Amino acid sequence: QSALTQPASVSGSPEQSITISCTGPSRDIGDYHYVSWYQQHPGKAPKLLIYDVSSRPSGVSNRFSGSMYGNTASLTISGLQAEDEADYYCSSYPLTRNLYVFGTGTKVTVL
Amino acid sequence: EVQVVESGGGLVQSGGSLRLSCVASGFSFSTHSMNWVRQAPGKGLEWVSYISSSGSPKYYVDSVKGRFTISRDNAKNSLYLQMNSLRAEDTAVYYCARDAYGYYMDVWGKGTTVTVSS
Repeated sequence: QSALTQPASVSGSPEQSITISCTGPSRDIGDYHYVSWYQQHPGKAPKLLIYDVSSRPSGVSNRFSGSMYGNTASLTISGLQAEDEADYYCSSYPLTRNLYVFGTGTKVTVL
Repeated sequence: EVQVVESGGGLVQSGGSLRLSCVASGFSFSTHSMNWVRQAPGKGLEWVSYISSSGSPKYYVDSVKGRFTISRDNAKNSLYLQMNSLRAEDTAVYYCARDAYGYYMDVWGKGTTVTVSS
């Protein structure tokens, strides 16, 4: 099971906006709208940020938003803050394959 | 507080076995499907296995099929992962994660570390 493709790193200055992409074949991501995003700080467990492409769980800042076009999902962080420095992973659930696929992960650096 | 707590990790020789446990609290465990997700040192997340709320069906990533078995005991609010024929490439932090009523994982434990020595 191949991973979804994410950029290895993305950086931005405080208060800027950045976008992380997540791409894969249609059978893994494009045919479904079951994309989720997770944030992971070093040595910590992943935390759910976005589900079903663009929905935000309660308690997650509205600075985090998700979208999707074709076979590419995106996570946008607005008003970048120092605490946003972490690794970010996308995930998809291709219904016909009965498994979760994660992205390769993106390290976000706040300059 | 809604939480899951893993245990059972440790150092084991290649070819050996280990059983991981995950105890849930603060929510109705028997109504949620559950997952194991692992992360090798310095690497990304990898989904390992899924079990439905009733215990069937179960799904596995190809690399562990035939070696790992996921199970649960709803009376004990517990999830398990029996790992046999362990390999060096199974070395990772193993996370227990609750499947939300949808296709995503909304509650994660802190993980338990498995190290397989060759």
